Parts: sequence; structure tokens; C-alpha cells
Amino acid sequence: QKEVEQNSGPLSVPEGAIASLNCTYSDRGSQSFFWYRQYSGKSPELIMSIYSNGDKEDGRFTAQLNKASQYVSLLIRDSQPSDSATYLCAVNNGNNRLAFGKGNQVVVIP
Amino acid sequence: DVKVTQSSRYLVKRTGEKVFLECVQDMDHENMFWYRQDPGLGLRLIYFSYDVKMKEKGDIPEGYSVSREKKERFSLILESASTNQTSMYLCASSNRPAGTEAFFGQGTRLTVV
Repeated sequence: QKEVEQNSGPLSVPEGAIASLNCTYSDRGSQSFFWYRQYSGKSPELIMSIYSNGDKEDGRFTAQLNKASQYVSLLIRDSQPSDSATYLCAVNNGNNRLAFGKGNQVVVIP
Repeated sequence: DVKVTQSSRYLVKRTGEKVFLECVQDMDHENMFWYRQDPGLGLRLIYFSYDVKMKEKGDIPEGYSVSREKKERFSLILESASTNQTSMYLCASSNRPAGTEAFFGQGTRLTVV
């Protein structure tokens, strides 16, 4: 099993809808979880970090963490065309390194 | 704001050349990383360093080496460039303790011909 898995294919959502992205991880000792956004041809930029079980909200973004089930999700409310990008899940298991999922492409349709 | 700067945005090198990719960060971060990103494969860790002169292999270190002589600078070296090393290379840095977020440079698109 890969360390971090993002299995969904490209996600198309209409403008104003909710986009939902999921990520699972294999190491139960993982402590820190991150969502990065990457526009085409650009480098990843951090949009959310979450460290404890539950929800964390920041503007239109909500990260959800469930350590017992080993998944972390990202919700984008009121999706905008500017949200069209690839979203990368990253997990740190405490050894100073980050493992990334392959990413999910989101396309917001006006 | 954290700034991570990579020396080149685009680079074209010939097979067999020795290639140096430089990365500098200005936030006194202890940890620095080199990743490569390829379509369908995501971000893969090549090497990382948690202190000056310290380095650890990542998931795909073969064909690469690194150097960290100063805290702010982390260099990736392709000893003898090959066409399968054509890729986007991304440098990142983060602070201790482990688990803090990483910040990325703008990336270097390397083409080996």
C-alpha cells in the first residue's frame, strides 16, 4: 500500500457547488496532514494544515481528519473557476519528511 | 513570507553532463527537500536534509547526490545526466519540529537531450 493515496480521477463541479476530495494514508503514526493546491505549471502552495481529529475551516475550505480510519478530506464550498487546479494531499509521520499523494485535478465549470 | 528560490526556471542539458540545481531559502529552516514531479507519478522525494552537512535518501536517490554546506542552501547534483531525468524538480523547506508545513520553490523544468 502506498503511503498516501488519492484515488479519485478528475473531478468536475459546477460553479458554486461543493468539491469533495479524499485521501488515505498507511502509517498510523502520522501526525500532520496538509493540502496543497497546484496550478498548471506552478509549484504547490499550502492551503490547509490539520493536526487533530475533526474539522478545520478556513474560508471556503474545510479539512477533515479521521485518524482511526486513516483518512483526511478537503471540502471546497462555493467552488469558483479559480479553484480549478490539482490538489495534493501530504502526510508527515514525524520523521521530518513529507509523503505526497498523486493529486486530484479539480475543474470548476462556469 | 517564506521565500524558497531555485536558481533556474528552465534548463536544457546534454546526456552525460554533470548538472547542479541550486535552492536557497531565507527563513532559517532546518529541513530542506528535493522532489521530482512527473505526470502520473506525483511528487517523489529524492533527498532531504535536516541539518547542515546532514542528508538522507528519499524514495528515488539513484543517479542523484546532494550538498548542504550552509543552512540556507541545498544543492541537487545529477552526476551524469540521462534522458530519464527529464522532469520538474521542486525544492522545499520546512522548520522543526517535524510536521510543520513545507514551502516550495518555483520549480526547475530540466530537459536532458
